[in-house]
Amino acid sequence: EVQLVESGGGLVQPGGSLRLSCAASGFTFSTYSMNWVRQAPGKGLEWVSYISSGSSTIFYADSLKGRFTISRDNAKNSLYLQMNSLRAEDTAVYYCTRDQGSLYYFDYWGQGALVTVSS
Amino acid sequence: DIQMTQSPSSLSASVGDRVIIACRASQSISSYLHWYQQKPGKAPKLLIYGASSLQSGVPSRFSGSGSGTDFTLTISSLQPEDFAIYYCQQSYTTPPLTFGGGTKVEVK
Repeated sequence: EVQLVESGGGLVQPGGSLRLSCAASGFTFSTYSMNWVRQAPGKGLEWVSYISSGSSTIFYADSLKGRFTISRDNAKNSLYLQMNSLRAEDTAVYYCTRDQGSLYYFDYWGQGALVTVSS
Repeated sequence: DIQMTQSPSSLSASVGDRVIIACRASQSISSYLHWYQQKPGKAPKLLIYGASSLQSGVPSRFSGSGSGTDFTLTISSLQPEDFAIYYCQQSYTTPPLTFGGGTKVEVK
């Protein structure tokens, strides 16, 4: 069974940093591209970042303006999102998602990690 | 960036109703259109990929159609567990991957 389990969410002050992790199991992690998608409270879905299976290709949403860094460790079956210079508008549930190859859709989602940016 | 517009933003329906949700892209996206269902407090779930392919395990009452700029998600006979928010997503251009604003299906 495919499982994606996020961790590392929490309350952080504006300007602070946080690192999210996503532990993957039930599939060959090293052969799949992965993404982060977020959802602000009561709002819709927003794609955040993409990383290819071997980390050679990485994309970010323009709105992040270099503040976030996606990475992965295939030996540990783990995906990461380093978030710096956090702002109130980054408050959201962050989902780790598996990318289904060349069509770039998300066939599995984690349960989400809540990040709250507030003083 | 490609903008995705869903309509309506919400609808009221009864169990057994046929429900149609529309999604329009700001430019042609071929069949790079996917549909998700999200229930309160839960992660989204993939329903349809490639505009019309049913994801494994998804009931056959869900179907998708369209290509180019106009797409629809149809629920042939609404069931109690189908009350949720539905999102479309395009993947014709990457980045960014973009979602529609969502359609909330509520009990009439």
